[in-house]
Amino acid sequence: GAGVSQTPSNKVTEKGKYVELRCDPISGHTALYWYRQSLGQGPEFLIYFQGTGAADDSGLPNDRFFAVRPEGSVSTLKIQRTERGDSAVYLCASSWRGGPYNEQFFGPGTRLTVL
Amino acid sequence: TQLLEQSPQFLSIQEGENLTVYCNSSSVFSSLQWYRQEPGEGPVLLVTVVTGGEVKKLKRLTFQFGDARKDSSLHITAAQPGDTGLYLCAGDSGTYKYIFGTGTRLKVLA
Repeated sequence: GAGVSQTPSNKVTEKGKYVELRCDPISGHTALYWYRQSLGQGPEFLIYFQGTGAADDSGLPNDRFFAVRPEGSVSTLKIQRTERGDSAVYLCASSWRGGPYNEQFFGPGTRLTVL
Repeated sequence: TQLLEQSPQFLSIQEGENLTVYCNSSSVFSSLQWYRQEPGEGPVLLVTVVTGGEVKKLKRLTFQFGDARKDSSLHITAAQPGDTGLYLCAGDSGTYKYIFGTGTRLKVLA
């Protein structure tokens, strides 16, 4: 595809449920980022992948959050035992490689609502 | 913890007016990026500034990086309705991780 795609675009779930959010980066991009954006705020860093490995997961809020990128392309963000405070837009971005000065291309995001 | 504060938080102006958005931090950044985000979409990169004092122009948009690389500004000349959106600055401390600012929501009225 031409850009970063994310599915689903919207997800409504009940408190305590498990959710998976998917990101398809631009083909050939080795770096992949997940961010969380609350209403009216800037994106908040969650995790960065370089290839298949998570180079930095320091932004994950707690152990209910986990992300994988098993083949170095598609990534899945997994949230267990969802809480109302997890409601936000989850953004994925990819870049040709990690590091500074590399342009990140963002997907449209997945809007997660926890009831 | 590195923080980037943007001001103003909200701005509503008439078409044709000029405006400046500020991005401030107490931390030094190796580079700083500006993005624009429209509803339902991800942020789109406008510019990256890397040198203290650097000024970059993109049509009616002028970006400046502070001499000490702790702050930046975005100036828009003769704003148009198409400039409406959320403007975000993002600073990098020399690694792969960008810290995003709090955002400035701009509305340009026709």
